[in-house]
Amino acid sequence: EAGVVQSPRYKIIEKKQPVAFWCNPISGHNTLYWYRQNLGQGPELLIRYENEEAVDDSQLPKDRFSAERLKGVDSTLKIQPAELGDSAVYLCASSLAREETQYFGPGTRLLVL
Amino acid sequence: AQKITQTQPGMFVQEKEAVTLDCTYDTSDQSYGLFWYKQPSSGEMIFLIYQGSYDEQNATEGRYSLNFQKARKSANLVISASQLGDSAMYFCAMSISNFGNEKLTFGTGTRLTIIP
Repeated sequence: EAGVVQSPRYKIIEKKQPVAFWCNPISGHNTLYWYRQNLGQGPELLIRYENEEAVDDSQLPKDRFSAERLKGVDSTLKIQPAELGDSAVYLCASSLAREETQYFGPGTRLLVL
Repeated sequence: AQKITQTQPGMFVQEKEAVTLDCTYDTSDQSYGLFWYKQPSSGEMIFLIYQGSYDEQNATEGRYSLNFQKARKSANLVISASQLGDSAMYFCAMSISNFGNEKLTFGTGTRLTIIP
């Protein structure tokens, strides 16, 4: 069974530029999560989806971050405009339901110059 | 609020020896779940083991076991017979509600290096 797929794996951009990350969860997984992992830290939740509905986006900086999960499958996380402090690894995870184990993708390493 | 503390930034262990990675947690909830994840240099978080707060027996998964001491609020990971492939970052995490996964709170991790 294929795991969580993320692209791109690496992204280097200049500050104030937009950037987007894509995630394809494990087939059949209804719950999808986006996490941000700063250097030397554990991941922190940005947003959680139940199917296509964002049910927890309290940690998402809404002035510059947006996310969508059309048709309740793939998801895109966008930053516009990017700031230096956004440099981090962005991890996507999915689970069968909200009370099941989360499985993570390989992440996207973002460097903002 | 929930908090996870991992006090060992790094550990070096000889191959084939057992290793214990420490994790303490803080929560006022009675129902919660504790997880360990492994993060190799490739970046993905690999689920290792889970312990529910009401589980009376310590969880085991192959060479991994979780030493759960509820009164001390600790959930240490024990890896038996360590292998070179065990070298990675290890994160302890907690979710409120037993097996509830709405939000995982992670510790800062322990970097484990296995020495041949």
